[in-house]
Amino acid sequence: QSALTQPASVSGSPGQSITVSCTGTSRDVGGYDYVSWYQQHPGKAPKLITYDVNKRPSGVSDRFSGSRSGNTASLTISRLQTEDEADYYCASYTSSDTLVFGGGTQVTVL
Amino acid sequence: EVQLLESGGGLVQPGGSLRLSCAASGITLGTYAMSWVRQAPGKGLEWVSSVKSGGNAYSADSVKGRFTISRDNSKNTLYLQMTSLRAEDTAIYYCAKSVVGTYRGFDGWGQGTLVTVSS
Repeated sequence: QSALTQPASVSGSPGQSITVSCTGTSRDVGGYDYVSWYQQHPGKAPKLITYDVNKRPSGVSDRFSGSRSGNTASLTISRLQTEDEADYYCASYTSSDTLVFGGGTQVTVL
Repeated sequence: EVQLLESGGGLVQPGGSLRLSCAASGITLGTYAMSWVRQAPGKGLEWVSSVKSGGNAYSADSVKGRFTISRDNSKNTLYLQMTSLRAEDTAIYYCAKSVVGTYRGFDGWGQGTLVTVSS
């Protein structure tokens, strides 16, 4: 199972909105409503920020939103803040009854 | 509050074995699907293995036949038995709790335990 494709880096200024993409196939991202996104700060464990494509766990800011179009999922961070600077990973259920992660995207707040 | 505490990592020679444990508190482990996710130094996340609440287990091709996930509900503990270890298995290993179902999202993570495979 190949990793999902994410851009290596995305940057934006405080207050702006940015979008991180996650491209898979019809056997994973495009075939099931089980896409999740994680935020990871250096030296820390990942944190779930969206699941089931666009649901947010309790306590996660509404500045984070997930969506999907075809085989590409996206994470949008609105009103960018300095504390949003981190690595972001997407993940998807697959037709093989397994899970696959994306390669990760480093988000930089300029 | 969910707390997951991994242990059992360390330095092991290629071909060796290691058993990781993940002790859970604040939840009844048996009612959730649980997983192991690893992260090689400076690299991204990689799903390793999951065990559903019903007991069925699934593993990535990269570890199939070498790693075995299991749980002891009486001890509220998740395990990962690792055999025939290779250098490429060197990583931080995290245990993770599913928010619902098995693969829909992991809403609880441990702090991780480092496994180093080297001679």
